[in-house]
Amino acid sequence: AQSVTQLDSQVPVFEEAPVELRCNYSSSVSVYLFWYVQYPNQGLQLLLKYLSGSTLVKGINGFEAEFNKSQTSFHLRKPSVHISDTAEYFCAVSEYTDKLIFGTGTRLQVFP
Amino acid sequence: ETGVTQSPTHLIKTRGQQVTLRCSSQSGHNTVSWYQQALGQGPQFIFQYYREEENGRGNFPPRFSGLQFPNYSSELNVNALELDDSALYLCASSTTGGYGYTFGSGTRLTVV
Repeated sequence: AQSVTQLDSQVPVFEEAPVELRCNYSSSVSVYLFWYVQYPNQGLQLLLKYLSGSTLVKGINGFEAEFNKSQTSFHLRKPSVHISDTAEYFCAVSEYTDKLIFGTGTRLQVFP
Repeated sequence: ETGVTQSPTHLIKTRGQQVTLRCSSQSGHNTVSWYQQALGQGPQFIFQYYREEENGRGNFPPRFSGLQFPNYSSELNVNALELDDSALYLCASSTTGGYGYTFGSGTRLTVV
């Protein structure tokens, strides 16, 4: 069965610092991987996705993620964060795109 | 292109009542999924509809049911509401094969 573990429930960081949000998954088959962002009182917005091909995936708002099959990880990174990046971030996995299994989320708090 | 729209945005119901939530899919999307997001948790997959048929279901009881209409809009119905049904309900649409779902802003259901 698929599962997703987001290792950090909260990540505090100062503005313009780099950040990494960690995500590990388990699955017995090939998977598709996603990162979503959720701003307060809003739905989920797709940041980026890995379907196949290059293991380094670039998304919106300067975010990128690297798929590591041997470590079953899909960590999200940004070299320099902004106050507006403060939000909840969810990693998700899908087998054959029928449903998404989400992690419990990481709260990114950017301080001035 | 239009996004995914959900109605109502907020709803308060009494335990034991029934509720219907509505979703209008993004133009060109023929698959719709519903998720339940309890406070402080990641979204949990309820079910998915494709061509008006249920096409996968998560670990939710039968009192959670759905419909998809020929125009790809959708409803989520919940009977015999329980306090634990209080959550944000998210609708997501995609084209066949997924590759990334577009989420609506959700309906916040409070059961008292």
